[in-house]
Amino acid sequence: NAGVTQTPKFQVLKTGQSMTLQCAQDMNHEYMSWYRQDPGMGLRLIHYSVGAGITDQGEVPNGYNVSRSTTEDFPLRLLSAAPSQTSVYFCASSYQQGVYEKLFFGSGTQLSVL
Amino acid sequence: QKEVEQDPGPLSVPEGAIVSLNCTYSNSAFQYFMWYRQYSRKGPELLMYTYSSGNKEDGRFTAQVDKSSKYISLFIRDSQPSDSATYLCAMSLYNQGGKLIFGQGTELSVKP
Repeated sequence: NAGVTQTPKFQVLKTGQSMTLQCAQDMNHEYMSWYRQDPGMGLRLIHYSVGAGITDQGEVPNGYNVSRSTTEDFPLRLLSAAPSQTSVYFCASSYQQGVYEKLFFGSGTQLSVL
Repeated sequence: QKEVEQDPGPLSVPEGAIVSLNCTYSNSAFQYFMWYRQYSRKGPELLMYTYSSGNKEDGRFTAQVDKSSKYISLFIRDSQPSDSATYLCAMSLYNQGGKLIFGQGTELSVKP
């Protein structure tokens, strides 16, 4: 199994450009989420989804859109890129095992906005 | 104030040392506590998880939760250079659909 696959691995954008970060998982997990990681800030939740057709905002949703049309895919859209969105983005999928929720992360997308 | 606080380090120790990593939190409703390990330029991977207060041991790793003090710890015994990574604590309520609250991460370097 590939697990959680993110593309692209690196991206450079100009301010105002839009783009979509792709995320796919082949583990049939119901839950998927997007985090961003900045120095000194840890991982912060952007958006999450508990199933196809259901999404909700996390801690830092502004400037990002998501949709979940299938169980496997959870793309993150940057509507109009800003330098403050320069970060490393991680997609995760998860499932509930008993009382525990186990997250599996992709390898990340490093985004620079100039 | 952040919900979860973690000293970012960096922390440098000699091989074989006992390492203690810690997090404090403010939300008393957190029930599930996790430690993730992240190697450079990789995604975090789940290392250990615990429910409520108490200790959990897995090989050289021990996770400890003290809910009365809102304090969690990860101990690494006989540390190895391969343990060099960033360690992130994370917490959640029940069945949150991927909603974890992470600490800032502590960068650990184990010198041979």
